[in-house]
Amino acid sequence: AQRVTQPEKLLSVFKGAPVELKCNYSYSGSPELFWYVQYSRQRLQLLLRHISRESIKGFTADLNKGETSFHLKKPFAQEEDSAMYYCALQTGANNLFFGTGTRLTVIP
Amino acid sequence: EAGVAQSPRYKIIEKRQSVAFWCNPISGHATLYWYQQILGQGPKLLIQFQNNGVVDDSQLPKDRFSAERLKGVDSTLKIQPAKLEDSAVYLCASKTSGSPGTQYFGPGTRLLVL
Repeated sequence: AQRVTQPEKLLSVFKGAPVELKCNYSYSGSPELFWYVQYSRQRLQLLLRHISRESIKGFTADLNKGETSFHLKKPFAQEEDSAMYYCALQTGANNLFFGTGTRLTVIP
Repeated sequence: EAGVAQSPRYKIIEKRQSVAFWCNPISGHATLYWYQQILGQGPKLLIQFQNNGVVDDSQLPKDRFSAERLKGVDSTLKIQPAKLEDSAVYLCASKTSGSPGTQYFGPGTRLLVL
């Protein structure tokens, strides 16, 4: 069975500090991983996906199949990064399984 | 482009009552999803439609939940009768039929069952 684990419910960092949101997964197939973000009073939206290998809003995430991890990183946090972040695993049926989310607060 | 629309945005009902939610996906999106998000948890898939056919409803509590997408566009999700544990945000998402595609989410309907 598939599982996505985000160990931190809450994470606070100071503005300008590096930030890392952890995500571990369990899946028997070939994983496709995503990070979704929900800003205050906005709808859930895609931040980035591992197959694109892109940087969005300064965030990057590398899929580590050996450690079954897909941690989200940004070298210098900004106040506008404060939001709820969800890691998600897509199965072969194109269904998404979400983690429980991490609420990031960037302290000015 | 217009986003995924959902209504109502909020609903308060008493247990054992019935409730229905409506979703209008992005035009041209063949795939439609309903998710349940309980407070403190991530969204959980309830059902996936491809056009007007059900692709996956393995997580849908079929004794009380039902969903349809008769013309392959709008969709409704119904709960009958509601239980206290159904209190949650119900999210609708749509995606183009190609792969990998991106799921676009609606604003959600917040349901409170008293």
